[in-house]
Amino acid sequence: AQSVTQLDSQVPVFEEAPVELRCNYSSSVSVYLFWYVQYPNQGLQLLLKYLSGSTLVKGINGFEAEFNKSQTSFHLRKPSVHISDTAEYFCAVSEGGSNYKLTFGKGTLLTVNP
Amino acid sequence: DAGVTQSPTHLIKTRGQQVTLRCSPKSGHDTVSWYQQALGQGPQFIFQYYEEEERQRGNFPDRFSGHQFPNYSSELNVNALLLGDSALYLCASRLGLAVYNEQFFGPGTRLTVL
Repeated sequence: AQSVTQLDSQVPVFEEAPVELRCNYSSSVSVYLFWYVQYPNQGLQLLLKYLSGSTLVKGINGFEAEFNKSQTSFHLRKPSVHISDTAEYFCAVSEGGSNYKLTFGKGTLLTVNP
Repeated sequence: DAGVTQSPTHLIKTRGQQVTLRCSPKSGHDTVSWYQQALGQGPQFIFQYYEEEERQRGNFPDRFSGHQFPNYSSELNVNALLLGDSALYLCASRLGLAVYNEQFFGPGTRLTVL
């Protein structure tokens, strides 16, 4: 069964600093991987996704993530964060095929301080 | 384009009551999924509808049921409400079943069970 572990529940950083949000997954088959962002009182918005091909995926708002099959990881990075990046970030996995559901991690609250 | 819309925004019910939540998918989308997001947790997959049929179901009891209408809108019904059903209920839509097609989320319905 597919599962996701987000290793940090909260990550505080200063504005313009780099950040990495960690995500590990578990699955017995090939997977699709996703990062979503949730701003307060809003639904989830897709940041980026890995389907196949290049292991480095670029998304919106300057975020990128790297798929590492041997480590079963899909960490999210941004070289310089802004106050507006403060939000909850969710990693999700799907095995695809006839398995249509996304399995989400518990989320990482990124707080960017001035 | 209105995106995914959900109603109502907030709802308060008492234990044992029944509730119906509504979702209109993004224009052009024919697949609707429902997720439950408890406080401090990631979204959990409830079920997915396509062509007016439930195509996949998560680990939720039969008290949770749904429906999809010919115009692709959907309802989530929860019977015999429990305190533990208090959560944000998210609706998401995509074009087709394939998980690699981007899924768009609505802002959610906040259900409080007293």
